[in-house]
Order: sequence, then C-alpha cells, then structure tokens
Amino acid sequence: ILNVEQSPQSLHVQEGDSTNFTCSFPSSNFYALHWYRWETAKSPEALFVMTLNGDEKKKGRISATLNTKEGYSYLYIKGSQPEDSATYLCAFSSVDSNYQLIWGAGTKLIIKP
Amino acid sequence: DAGVTQSPTHLIKTRGQQVTLRCSPKSGHDTVSWYQQALGQGPQFIFQYYEEEERQRGNFPDRFSGHQFPNYSSELNVNALLLGDSALYLCASSPGRTYNSPLHFGNGTRLTVT
Repeated sequence: ILNVEQSPQSLHVQEGDSTNFTCSFPSSNFYALHWYRWETAKSPEALFVMTLNGDEKKKGRISATLNTKEGYSYLYIKGSQPEDSATYLCAFSSVDSNYQLIWGAGTKLIIKP
Repeated sequence: DAGVTQSPTHLIKTRGQQVTLRCSPKSGHDTVSWYQQALGQGPQFIFQYYEEEERQRGNFPDRFSGHQFPNYSSELNVNALLLGDSALYLCASSPGRTYNSPLHFGNGTRLTVT
C-alpha cells in the first residue's frame, strides 16, 4: 500500500519567520510529486509539480526540493506572511498508476502576526 | 475564464439513498478526476475520466460510479449511501494529454449522510 506522510501535522510560525515542512513518499516507481496550497473556504491551488531527482522549484517566497532516491520533498516559505496561512498538501504518483495521486494529510500552517 | 465548478455545494441524504454530484471542468481541460476527503485526511482518489471513459479507478466499491459527457463535464453517483460516505467530494480537471499537469480543483460538494 502506497503511503504519503507529511510532517508536522500543524505549525505555528511568527510573521516574518521562515519555515519548512516535509513530504515523504515511496522511493520506488516514482513518477511525480505535487504540492498544493489549500486556504480555508477555497479550493486547493497547485504550487509545484516535480518530476526529476534534485529538482528545485520556486514561486515567489515559496520553494520546494525533491529527492526521489530517498523519497522526500521539502517545502520552504521565506519570510512568512499572514496570507501564507493554509494547509499545504503533497501528492505522489507512481509509474504503475500515473493518473492517480496519493495524498498526504497535509501540514496546517498558521502565521501569527 | 471559468474555473472548475461543482454542484451542489452542500447535500444532506439519508442512509440507503442515492446521490449525484456534478462537475464542469476548467475551459480547455478534458480530464476530470474525483476525490473524497474525510475530515483530517488527505483526498482519496475515486476515479478519473478521459474521453468519456473511466481511465483509472482507486480503491472504492462499485457503489461509486461516474460518467463523463461529450462537453467534458462529469457526474459522480453514489448508490446505497452509508454513514461513512459523509465527506467533501472534490472534482479536479486537467489537460488529458499531459501526465504531469497540475490539477485545478472545484470548491467541492459537502455530503452529509444521516
């Protein structure tokens, strides 16, 4: 059974501080790793889709890295702002079933002003 | 440019009843995926439709069925509802020819089974 783990489950960060959290996924048969941001009362919004080992992607103050050999990805937020408060979800797809995303339960990020 | 739209937003049904949820994909997208999200968990993949066919299916019973129409909109049907079917149902669309396209989600349908 494929499993995706995210840690921590929740995180309180002071405004202006930087933070990061982890997504762990199966290292075999890797196809792609997705990151999404889900704000309350809105729909999930795609941040990154990563496919290559060692890949790094950046979108404004948010960046992500990927290690497919050891099965983890980090999401970094630099200089946290109140609008960064959201649940961050990662999802993994394998070569065997590349249309199906297996999701973690998310990291809930709360920025304290 | 309309994004993904889902209807209804909320629904209350009784155990044993049947329900139909609807989804219109983002303009230009031809693939629709359905997910179930229970409280405190990540979304669980139900199935994906492409070219009016079910392309891939997750680990859900046959009570869950779907359909895709020629205009790419989709329906999710759940028969013989159980209390455990209470969840947020998310629809996501993407362009079908690209395997690694990010998904575009609707706001979901909150189903409560009593």
